[in-house]
Amino acid sequence: DTGVSQDPRHKITKRGQNVTFRCDPISEHNRLYWYRQTLGQGPEFLTYFQNEAQLEKSRLLSDRFSAERPKGSFSTLEIQRTEQGDSAMYLCASSTSADNYGYTFGSGTRLTVV
Amino acid sequence: GNSVTQMEGPVTLSEEAFLTINCTYTATGYPSLFWYVQYPGEGLQLLLKATKADDKGSNKGFEATYRKETTSFHLEKGSVQVSDSAVYFCALAPYSGAGSYQLTFGKGTKLSVIP
Repeated sequence: DTGVSQDPRHKITKRGQNVTFRCDPISEHNRLYWYRQTLGQGPEFLTYFQNEAQLEKSRLLSDRFSAERPKGSFSTLEIQRTEQGDSAMYLCASSTSADNYGYTFGSGTRLTVV
Repeated sequence: GNSVTQMEGPVTLSEEAFLTINCTYTATGYPSLFWYVQYPGEGLQLLLKATKADDKGSNKGFEATYRKETTSFHLEKGSVQVSDSAVYFCALAPYSGAGSYQLTFGKGTKLSVIP
């Protein structure tokens, strides 16, 4: 297993367009998390899945954001009608339920909205 | 709510100098505390953790002690190397009964070590 993979690494999009990011967690990890990191800030929690169930969502996750994990494996994060304020690094992490905070982070997807 | 405050950077040190990065927190109950490191171009990596008061986490020569009386978790290393240049994040997780698994991070402290 090569760790948590995120695709794409970089995405430039025009304001108003929709974008989708993918995260492939470590295969035996049943928990998956999305975070957002803006320049000069620490990561901020967006949402968390246990298997396919989305159990926690942050207030940061407006109705333009949606995340899925349809078969409890990979996850997608979609942003509709992107705004310049959505420009950030989107991080995915995974862990097992035996080690709640044993996160493994991916390298992230950097989104630039122009 | 939960929050983490860590010292502003950037921090520039000469090789073999002593490092301290301060971190204090606000949380309900007994959170778990972490230090993550982010090397240039890479994802965040867990450096060390402590899950209860007076625990000391250690890894790669770095140490941090969970001090509940001062709500602190300062990161220290006795002799830094150029390869330690990175951004360091302090983070906390809620106490086990909170039913939440999200981490709250500080803003990060960039460390540059010069030869």
